Amino acid sequence: DSGVTQTPKHLITATGQRVTLRCSPRSGDLSVYWYQQSLDQGLQFLIQYYNGEERAKGNILERFSAQQFPDLHSELNLSSLELGDSALYFCASSTRTEMNYGYTFGSGTRLTVV
Amino acid sequence: AQKITQTQPGMFVQEKEAVTLDCTYDTSDQSYGLFWYKQPSSGEMIFLIYQGSYDEQNATEGRYSLNFQKARKSANLVISASQLGDSAMYFCAMREGGANSKLTFGKGITLSVRP
Repeated sequence: DSGVTQTPKHLITATGQRVTLRCSPRSGDLSVYWYQQSLDQGLQFLIQYYNGEERAKGNILERFSAQQFPDLHSELNLSSLELGDSALYFCASSTRTEMNYGYTFGSGTRLTVV
Repeated sequence: AQKITQTQPGMFVQEKEAVTLDCTYDTSDQSYGLFWYKQPSSGEMIFLIYQGSYDEQNATEGRYSLNFQKARKSANLVISASQLGDSAMYFCAMREGGANSKLTFGKGITLSVRP
């Protein structure tokens, strides 16, 4: 167990639907990062939150949004889903004091859009 | 230009032998960090090793070492005494700037260890 919890582990939904992915960071970590991993695009950075505020934005579609709550858990909302959104979505967390310990990843949510 | 380049096709290594996985990076920052992650078929991302741009010595973690050549902008991962459990996808990643900056990943390299 990495300490980063992602739910659900698997999600199957239809095109046009909306889903919410949840991430609880490692205890004490203030930063949460969302990544999308697809076969053709590799690991793409979507968005980062630090202590409740958006810190950096990557290749995140307008149909996607995220937020980090006061208890530091984060949610990634994906709407108007398309077949191409099928991917493994990772959440990672980090703490400012551990520059050499990388970023701890959750086990991911595998999203299948049918 | 790509920030992290991993161009090797699928790699194969005999059990108990050493293997080097290549990674080159591109940045104009003076302060950056380089990471390697392992992703087995089960899908989780496992942190292996870190090298800071100001670190003078190559990082080592057990059977993993990082061959850091700053002038060439390369950060190759060396796995010694390969084990069957090392079969996985390996990703090189870079953090530009300070801690709590995002990681940028390469496309990854598939390593297969032969018995």
